[in-house]
Amino acid sequence: GAGVSQSPSNKVTEKGKDVELRCDPISGHTALYWYRQSLGQGLEFLIYFQGNSAPDKSGLPSDRFSAERTGGSVSTLTIQRTQQEDSAVYLCASSLEPGLGNTIYFGEGSWLTVV
Amino acid sequence: GNSVTQMEGPVTLSEEAFLTINCTYTATGYPSLFWYVQYPGEGLQLLLKATKADDKGSNKGFEATYRKETTSFHLEKGSVQVSDSAVYFCALINESWGKLQFGAGTQVVVTP
Repeated sequence: GAGVSQSPSNKVTEKGKDVELRCDPISGHTALYWYRQSLGQGLEFLIYFQGNSAPDKSGLPSDRFSAERTGGSVSTLTIQRTQQEDSAVYLCASSLEPGLGNTIYFGEGSWLTVV
Repeated sequence: GNSVTQMEGPVTLSEEAFLTINCTYTATGYPSLFWYVQYPGEGLQLLLKATKADDKGSNKGFEATYRKETTSFHLEKGSVQVSDSAVYFCALINESWGKLQFGAGTQVVVTP
């Protein structure tokens, strides 16, 4: 597709359930990022994938959060045993390659509400 | 570590007014600097960027100049429109692998 595609666009889940959020980056982009946007917290970096390198997981808030990227393309962010504080917009982004001048393109996000 | 500080909002102004959103940063080395915009109900979009000192990024009538001596990247527009109402994020990348560090965002409301 022309841009970064994320699904679902909206998800309401019960506390304690697991959720999976999907990201399809721009074709040919080797770098993929997950960010979280929540009220009062701004934009938080979660995890970064680059090619076949080990991902940078330094932003994941707890071990309930994990992500994988299959075949260097599609990525899935999984949140286990969801809590109300996980409610946020989860943003995926991609760039052609890492580098100081390369533009990072964002998807429209997956709105997660934990009730 | 790296950090980005931008002025708190909301900033409310009338159509055709001059807009400035201040952004300062802390970083080692020579980061690249960005302004992203988020219109109501939409995702983040790159507005403009500058990759080295004294560079000026510009787009849609917005401008920002990379000032290393003051570690700033203030966003300006000479005459705002209602359609410029959005949240504006200043950001930097300071490492070769490209993790964006964002400021808190500034909401701008333009009234007719």
